[in-house]
Amino acid sequence: DTAVSQTPKYLVTQMGNDKSIKCEQNLGHDTMYWYKQDSKKFLKIMFSYNNKELIINETVPNRFSPKSPDKAHLNLHINSLELGDSAVYFCASSQDWGGTDTQYFGPGTRLTVL
Amino acid sequence: KQEVTQIPAALSVPEGENLVLNCSFTDSAIYNLQWFRQDPGKGLTSLLLIQSSQREQTSGRLNASLDKSSGRSTLYIAASQPGDSATYLCAVCFGGGTSYGKLTFGQGTILTVHP
Repeated sequence: DTAVSQTPKYLVTQMGNDKSIKCEQNLGHDTMYWYKQDSKKFLKIMFSYNNKELIINETVPNRFSPKSPDKAHLNLHINSLELGDSAVYFCASSQDWGGTDTQYFGPGTRLTVL
Repeated sequence: KQEVTQIPAALSVPEGENLVLNCSFTDSAIYNLQWFRQDPGKGLTSLLLIQSSQREQTSGRLNASLDKSSGRSTLYIAASQPGDSATYLCAVCFGGGTSYGKLTFGQGTILTVHP
């Protein structure tokens, strides 16, 4: 059983388009995250939600809008895609947001903006 | 600024060698430190989590140590195997209100174990 799943795995699109990436976890965790891994493989947090509430919002352009319909899902919607948005986006989850728990990562979504 | 640095950036060793990967961080006020493994084109797999009150954690051939005062952690891999080849990432959950709950990653060490 997949603990943290993301769809799609690959996403190729044109500049200016709007796209969404979905994430689901079946671990019963309260906290979910979105990370971005750039071309240099550097991973950086974007957002964190706890019980559907936004708790971390790193300096991310407002073209990125996360949405958590329930504790098990955290989707990422990106408006007006730019070349610089090309990266691998990882979803993760942990039991709590207190910083003491292991984070479990999804397989990633490779976004390519042409 | 809270940063995590990993040395070396890449390491190539023959099978069977014991090896050490290094991680340093700029602020000793941390909640925990995690070591992850990332295989090409795949997600991250958590290897070891060390809480701030702990000095080390062990899992199989892996041992991770934590020295908060010097801002360092090491990941020791015993009797390396070709299947250990991957990128190893160190991530720190720093203390402080704006850092609470978020991981700051190093840039990783690419490990190649050749037969």
